[in-house]
Amino acid sequence: DGGITQSPKYLFRKEGQNVTLSCEQNLNHDAMYWYRQDPGQGLRLIYYSQIVNDFQKGDIAEGYSVSREKKESFPLTVTSAQKNPTAFYLCASSPGLAITYEQYFGPGTRLTVT
Amino acid sequence: LAKTTQPISMDSYEGQEVNITCSHNNIATNDYITWYQQFPSQGPRFIIQGYKTKVTNEVASLFIPADRKSSTLSLPRVSLSDTAVYYCLVGDIAGANNLFFGTGTRLTVIP
Repeated sequence: DGGITQSPKYLFRKEGQNVTLSCEQNLNHDAMYWYRQDPGQGLRLIYYSQIVNDFQKGDIAEGYSVSREKKESFPLTVTSAQKNPTAFYLCASSPGLAITYEQYFGPGTRLTVT
Repeated sequence: LAKTTQPISMDSYEGQEVNITCSHNNIATNDYITWYQQFPSQGPRFIIQGYKTKVTNEVASLFIPADRKSSTLSLPRVSLSDTAVYYCLVGDIAGANNLFFGTGTRLTVIP
């Protein structure tokens, strides 16, 4: 059963703590992405990775970090430097980076920081 | 980077055909047009993609005029389950700089 998994579905943290969101895919896709979505808003690109051990900043990378040590995994760390971390976080993957490739999204992680 | 403009929201009755238009006046020669659908608290799902003229699949049709400065997503005979946000993306094969989802169009299907 191929797909993308994100865990946990809901995550609560205290302000000032770093938190890592998991994203795993078994689709053998090269490209992976992290998006942030705020209520009533569209998706904003945080980071993306085209291949293992390589990743690039998206539009709103400040306060976030990622790693791509394995093809199937692309964890996102929300650091204490992120001013407004409460949001819905979506991970996606695609066979390649081009827009012509369909992106497959995970179920998302809703992060609440108080 | 081709900027897209879509209506913020639309309402439609069940069984009607819905057309959502996306404007992209500065679309480049190598740009493709892609539409995604997103239900609440879920990730978006690919609907359809095209470059010019008309593309049709089992879910929707995409109409692109000759000048490619706009595109129209057509959903035939919508049902309540089509209530969602629809995003129009425009970009080329160069890379993720073109993965701009914007705010999309919120379609509400009324019984």
